[in-house]
Amino acid sequence: GAVVSQHPSWVICKSGTSVKIECRSLDFQATTMFWYRQFPKQSLMLMATSNEGSKATYEQGVEKDKFLINHASLTLSTLTVTSAHPEDSSFYICSARERGNYNEQFFGPGTRLTVL
Amino acid sequence: DAKTTQPPSMDCAEGRAANLPCNHSTISGNEYVYWYRQIHSQGPQYIIHGLKNNETNEMASLIITEDRKSSTLILPHATLRDTAVYYCIVRIPPQGSGTYKYIFGTGTRLKVLA
Repeated sequence: GAVVSQHPSWVICKSGTSVKIECRSLDFQATTMFWYRQFPKQSLMLMATSNEGSKATYEQGVEKDKFLINHASLTLSTLTVTSAHPEDSSFYICSARERGNYNEQFFGPGTRLTVL
Repeated sequence: DAKTTQPPSMDCAEGRAANLPCNHSTISGNEYVYWYRQIHSQGPQYIIHGLKNNETNEMASLIITEDRKSSTLILPHATLRDTAVYYCIVRIPPQGSGTYKYIFGTGTRLKVLA
């Protein structure tokens, strides 16, 4: 099946620094990628949708200047958490939709961010 | 806002069928129901999806009521490895120039007991 990877799997950073998380589709072309955030014991919340080569679409309440998303190629999307603060600590999960396949999103394993 | 409601937790004996209910009373005619599961600290794993008809695959069966206001995911012979959080999701069709989106509910934490 289609595989999505994320890097890093976990990261610890100091408050005020920026962190970049990568999401890659390993064996398919992902025209659309999605970024979710999940707090402990809560469900996944969609943050934004990115289409290759165009600007991301953010969900209501998600700050686009804080969570920078770049989807520069058909296999890579990045999420940069700028000036991270402890309240940004969370589990960030990406998913990817294959070109022409509207039936399924393939999820990555997630990245756990801890901001000290 | 989530369009699905699920019981927060369920237990099931190993080897028995696990029946996980989901209410989606406000679902629209062109919105699919998807089921994913998430094992602790991993990404969600696809299980099954459907629109109107019942569906079955190697993992599970999906029973959708005729009025589409609710559905049930059935794991026919639950094993300990099926312990996970199960999410019933409504897939929202594109709005404007957007794309299909998943709206996750709160999920059901299924514990399979030996």
